[in-house]
Amino acid sequence: KQEVTQIPAALSVPEGENLVLNCSFTDSAIYNLQWFRQDPGKGLTSLLLIQSSQREQTSGRLNASLDKSSGRSTLYIAASQPGDSATYLCAVIQLDNQGGKLIFGQGTELSVKP
Amino acid sequence: DGGITQSPKYLFRKEGQNVTLSCEQNLNHDAMYWYRQDPGQGLRLIYYSQIVNDFQKGDIAEGYSVSREKKESFPLTVTSAQKNPTAFYLCASSSQAGVSYEQYFGPGTRLTVT
Repeated sequence: KQEVTQIPAALSVPEGENLVLNCSFTDSAIYNLQWFRQDPGKGLTSLLLIQSSQREQTSGRLNASLDKSSGRSTLYIAASQPGDSATYLCAVIQLDNQGGKLIFGQGTELSVKP
Repeated sequence: DGGITQSPKYLFRKEGQNVTLSCEQNLNHDAMYWYRQDPGQGLRLIYYSQIVNDFQKGDIAEGYSVSREKKESFPLTVTSAQKNPTAFYLCASSSQAGVSYEQYFGPGTRLTVT
């Protein structure tokens, strides 16, 4: 059974720092991997999707990498800002005969201090 | 404006009552999903539907029911059989026609049962 783990569970950094959030998964037979952001009491916003054939994806100050063989993905945030404060969730997409399903990690709660 | 809407944002019910949460999407997506989120836990899949008039149980379907009579709508009923219904409920959708299976989320409904 696929398990997704995110470390650390919480992270506090001063504004301007570059930081890395980690995601690991136990079964390398994933289809894609998706990173989300969740603000308190809100829904999930999709940040980046990495297809299994890709090694990384970039959007603005965000860069996500994927190493399927080692079961790892990282989300790199450059020059962090207080507005980046949120919970970041990674999820692997696995296919079965019913289509694609997401399996989530528990998230990393990020706080960026001014 | 394309997207996923969930209503209401907050819902309060007495124990023993059934309650239905609404989810509508105008993205023309084939698949729709319901998740439950509890503090300190990741998102858990309740039910999902790949096409109209068909749906499958997720990991925690007991005490819940769904219907998919229209492509745009996927309502979730929390029945009195659900032992711990207080939670944050998230609806999502994805296109099954492409290659990514990327999921998009609604803003969520917070259900409180007393």
